[in-house]
Amino acid sequence: GQQLNQSPQSMFIQEGEDVSMNCTSSSIFNTWLWYKQDPGEGPVLLIALYKAGELTSNGRLTAQFGITRKDSFLNISASIPSDVGIYFCAGQNYGGSQGNLIFGKGTKLSVKP
Amino acid sequence: DSGVTQTPKHLITATGQRVTLRCSPRSGDLSVYWYQQSLDQGLQFLIQYYNGEERAKGNILERFSAQQFPDLHSELNLSSLELGDSALYFCASSGRDREALGGYTFGSGTRLTVV
Repeated sequence: GQQLNQSPQSMFIQEGEDVSMNCTSSSIFNTWLWYKQDPGEGPVLLIALYKAGELTSNGRLTAQFGITRKDSFLNISASIPSDVGIYFCAGQNYGGSQGNLIFGKGTKLSVKP
Repeated sequence: DSGVTQTPKHLITATGQRVTLRCSPRSGDLSVYWYQQSLDQGLQFLIQYYNGEERAKGNILERFSAQQFPDLHSELNLSSLELGDSALYFCASSGRDREALGGYTFGSGTRLTVV
């Protein structure tokens, strides 16, 4: 089945630093999404990308849909303590049994004040 | 509040038992998805229902089953429970479009502990 490789697995950074994480796949996706999960909660959608090459921002977050459609990255600028959590990438294709989201294993972000 | 309601929030049960997890999707959403999140396994897709019908199946064990009712709420039944079934179980829903893209809205999950 399709698998997503997400890296790094975890990050420990200082408040104010920029963060970068990425996700790669052996197969293409029509849509890439980035979610954040806080402890004890369900994942919350941060950014959705629909077109190869697309660069989208949401506040301090910027994500890109790779031109090969097999990868995506997420950048967080000027990190703050509330950025702590697990970030998941997810790929999605059109239609049928492929319509469900395939998730990466997550990047756990820790921010030191 | 995401609009997706899952009950119960926590469940502790013994091996060999059967439990039912419940999910009410966001108002207007026709698709319901179930995911399992174990410690080192990320989010694993189990099953999807669209408007009462099974639409897609992932790595769901034969001991597990689900259904979506006419009022669109869904239940995930887990039977003959094993220690390895301990995990967070998430329900998610998505919009009216059968081919909806753009991600799902997740509930807060049910934490199942099998002892």
